[in-house]
Amino acid sequence: DSGVTQTPKHLITATGQRVTLRCSPRSGDLSVYWYQQSLDQGLQFLIQYYNGEERAKGNILERFSAQQFPDLHSELNLSSLELGDSALYFCASSVGLAGFLEQYFGPGTRLTVT
Amino acid sequence: AQTVTQSQPEMSVQEAETVTLSCTYDTSESDYYLFWYKQPPSRQMILVIRQEAYKQQNATENRFSVNFQKAAKSFSLKISDSQLGDAAMYFCAYRSFPQGGSEKLVFGKGTKLTVNP
Repeated sequence: DSGVTQTPKHLITATGQRVTLRCSPRSGDLSVYWYQQSLDQGLQFLIQYYNGEERAKGNILERFSAQQFPDLHSELNLSSLELGDSALYFCASSVGLAGFLEQYFGPGTRLTVT
Repeated sequence: AQTVTQSQPEMSVQEAETVTLSCTYDTSESDYYLFWYKQPPSRQMILVIRQEAYKQQNATENRFSVNFQKAAKSFSLKISDSQLGDAAMYFCAYRSFPQGGSEKLVFGKGTKLTVNP
């Protein structure tokens, strides 16, 4: 158990819908990262937050957005869902920014768009 | 942009034998970190081993060791005395040094390792 929690574990929804994925980082971790794992694209970085502020953006679609709240939990919002958005979405957390910092991964949320 | 390449989509090994998984990467940065992650059927991402680019000594964690060749931009993982529980997808990953850029991980496509009893 990495200490990172993600809810829900599984999500099945229809095209055009909107969903919210939630992540709680390990206690004390200030950085949260979101990754998408799909069969065709592999594991891709989406976005990083550090202590409530957006730190870095990767290949995140405009239909996707994220935020990190004062209690440091993070949410990833996916809207106007398409079949191609079906994937495993991971959240990871780390303590901060300086020095070597391991990223601890949550168990992931499996999103299926039908 | 950094890229990570794993040229072996699948590998197999006999239980108790040794196997080496290959990884090459491309970067213009001089300081960075490299990782191997394991993803068993449970889908959990588990850190296996890490290497700081500024360290010449190859990292070792029990039965897992790496061969880091900085000039060749190569980072292979050796698993000794393979066990059935080692069967998983293995991902090589790159991360910039904190001051150099984002802390994001850049992953290879993965190598599926099968361990035969």
